Amino acid sequence: SQQGEEDPQALSIQEGENATMNCSYKTSINNLQWYRQNSGRGLVHLILIRSNEREKHSGRLRVTLDTSKKSSSLLITASRAADTASYFCATDDSGNNRKLIWGLGTSLAVNP
Amino acid sequence: EPEVTQTPSHQVTQMGQEVILRCVPISNHLYFYWYRQILGQKVEFLVSFYNNEISEKSEIFDDQFSVERPDGSNFTLKIRSTKLEDSAMYFCASTLSGRHNEQYFGPGTRLTVT
Repeated sequence: SQQGEEDPQALSIQEGENATMNCSYKTSINNLQWYRQNSGRGLVHLILIRSNEREKHSGRLRVTLDTSKKSSSLLITASRAADTASYFCATDDSGNNRKLIWGLGTSLAVNP
Repeated sequence: EPEVTQTPSHQVTQMGQEVILRCVPISNHLYFYWYRQILGQKVEFLVSFYNNEISEKSEIFDDQFSVERPDGSNFTLKIRSTKLEDSAMYFCASTLSGRHNEQYFGPGTRLTVT
């Protein structure tokens, strides 16, 4: 399987509920980044967590990283219809060029 | 707030034609990238560029592809002879140096090869 695999592939929740998405990866990393993509649009950076960090918050976003399990989770609290999008995790390859390796993403639908 | 820009937003071309996709990275960034995303698939790394040369390229980035930073501002991706399977969204990204800097992405160019 590929570096940066997210699950679930699709998630449908009601406005106000929390959404949790998970990401697993295979190789060692410098950091892991979460991005959001509205349908057919660009990639918006949400949050970066370094390999020596365990948890990070940004507004309604909470990201955790467990390097022993090579996994990360993104929690969106009090979801809104505007959070409807695809969410991707991307890991850098710990090399010098910092290229990002991506998963297939989680498609989140927040129903009003 | 500085941002990465890309032009055009949508390019339609015929198979076998050359296309040039343009990007203006954030001005003080030092690393530049092209990625692509075929519809419904994951984002794939194509090439990274640093210090005016390619620092890494993927197996997708064959002889039909080239990149250039002609004037210290623009960063271009050229596809010499497009194929149907080159149809995808192409994203440019840039980052500062350092291991823990975010990559900032442009809005993408949707390339359609007919």
